[in-house]
Amino acid sequence: AQTVTQSQPEMSVQEAETVTLSCTYDTSESDYYLFWYKQPPSRQMILVIRQEAYKQQNATENRFSVNFQKAAKSFSLKISDSQLGDAAMYFCAYKPLQGGSEKLVFGKGTKLTVNP
Amino acid sequence: EAGVVQSPRYKIIEKKQPVAFWCNPISGHNTLYWYRQNLGQGPELLIRYENEEAVDDSQLPKDRFSAERLKGVDSTLKIQPAELGDSAVYLCASSLDRGVGQTEAFFGQGTRLTVV
Repeated sequence: AQTVTQSQPEMSVQEAETVTLSCTYDTSESDYYLFWYKQPPSRQMILVIRQEAYKQQNATENRFSVNFQKAAKSFSLKISDSQLGDAAMYFCAYKPLQGGSEKLVFGKGTKLTVNP
Repeated sequence: EAGVVQSPRYKIIEKKQPVAFWCNPISGHNTLYWYRQNLGQGPELLIRYENEEAVDDSQLPKDRFSAERLKGVDSTLKIQPAELGDSAVYLCASSLDRGVGQTEAFFGQGTRLTVV
C-alpha cells in the first residue's frame, strides 16, 4: 500500500523568508502524480503544485517550487518570499496512474506559521 | 466555473441519530471522492466513485455508513446511527480522470460533524 509521510508536524518562517516542507512516500509504482495541497482555516483544500513522476524537471508555480527526488521517493515544497497568507496546513499527496487505481493518498500534514 | 459544493457546512447531532451529507461535484468530473478528516490529521478516503460505480469502498465502515451517487453526478453520504467517534470533517472532491492528462482533485469546503 502506498503511504505518504510528512515528518514535520509544525514549521514556522519569518515573513519574506524561505521555508521547505518535507515529504516522503512509499510506492512500487513507476508512474504517479504528487501534489501539495494547502488547507487554510476555511477547510477548503487548495492545490498548490503538482509533479508528474515521469518528468525530471521540478515543478514551479510562482513562489512555490518542489524538489522531486524519484529514487529517494522525496518530494519537498519550497515557499519563497513567504507571505502571511501562506499560513495554513500543507498536505503532501500521492496518486498512482496504473491498474485503474486512482486513489489519492495524503500525509498527515504540516502546519505552517508565518511570523510578521 | 462553480467548484465542488457541499452541504451542510456544519452539523451537530446526538449519538445514535442519522445524518446525511450532500456533494455536488464540478460539472463533467467523473471521479468523486468522500474523505474523512479527523482533527489534526490528513484526509482519509472513505469511498471513490467512477461515474455512478463505487470502485473503492474498502475504508467505508459499511455497518453504519452508506453512500450513493445518482446518475453519476451528485452524491450523498449517510451515517446511521452516528457514534461519538464519527465527529470529523467530511470532505468531498472531484476530478476528471481520463488516463493521460489527468487533473488534480478539487475539494469542497467540507462538512464539520459534531456528535454529542
